[in-house]
Amino acid sequence: KQEVTQIPAALSVPEGENLVLNCSFTDSAIYNLQWFRQDPGKGLTSLLLIQSSQREQTSGRLNASLDKSSGRSTLYIAASQPGDSATYLCAVSRGGSEKLVFGKGTKLTVNP
Amino acid sequence: DVKVTQSSRYLVKRTGEKVFLECVQDMDHENMFWYRQDPGLGLRLIYFSYDVKMKEKGDIPEGYSVSREKKERFSLILESASTNQTSMYLCASTWGYGYTFGSGTRLTVV
Repeated sequence: KQEVTQIPAALSVPEGENLVLNCSFTDSAIYNLQWFRQDPGKGLTSLLLIQSSQREQTSGRLNASLDKSSGRSTLYIAASQPGDSATYLCAVSRGGSEKLVFGKGTKLTVNP
Repeated sequence: DVKVTQSSRYLVKRTGEKVFLECVQDMDHENMFWYRQDPGLGLRLIYFSYDVKMKEKGDIPEGYSVSREKKERFSLILESASTNQTSMYLCASTWGYGYTFGSGTRLTVV
């Protein structure tokens, strides 16, 4: 059974810092990995999608990498801002249309 | 952009009521999902559907049912609401390349 772990559970950093969020999964037979952002009381917003054949994806200040063989992904946030404060969730699927298995998230606080 | 719309942001229902949570997507996606999210437990899959009139149980289907009469609409039904179904409910859809989530329904059962 696939299990997804995110470390740390919470992170507090000063504004401007570069930071890395970690995600690990137990079964490397994944189809894709997706990073989401969730603001308090809200739904999930997709940040980046990495297919299993890809090594990384970039969007603005965000960069996500995938190492399938070791069962790891990282989300790198450059020059963090207070508006980046949210919970970041990592999820994997075994097929393109199959269910997502989620980690429990990393709650990020960026202090002005 | 794909839009997934959940009809209610907040709902308060009484124990024993039949509750309908509605989800509509506008991009002709075949696959739709219902998750619930609870503190400390994360997101857990309740039911999903690969096509109209098709449904599959997820990890925690007990106390729930679903309906998919049209491709764009996927309804979650709480047959007899109980206090342990107080939660955030999230709907999602996909065509096989990434998932799009709705804004969630915060359900409180009193």
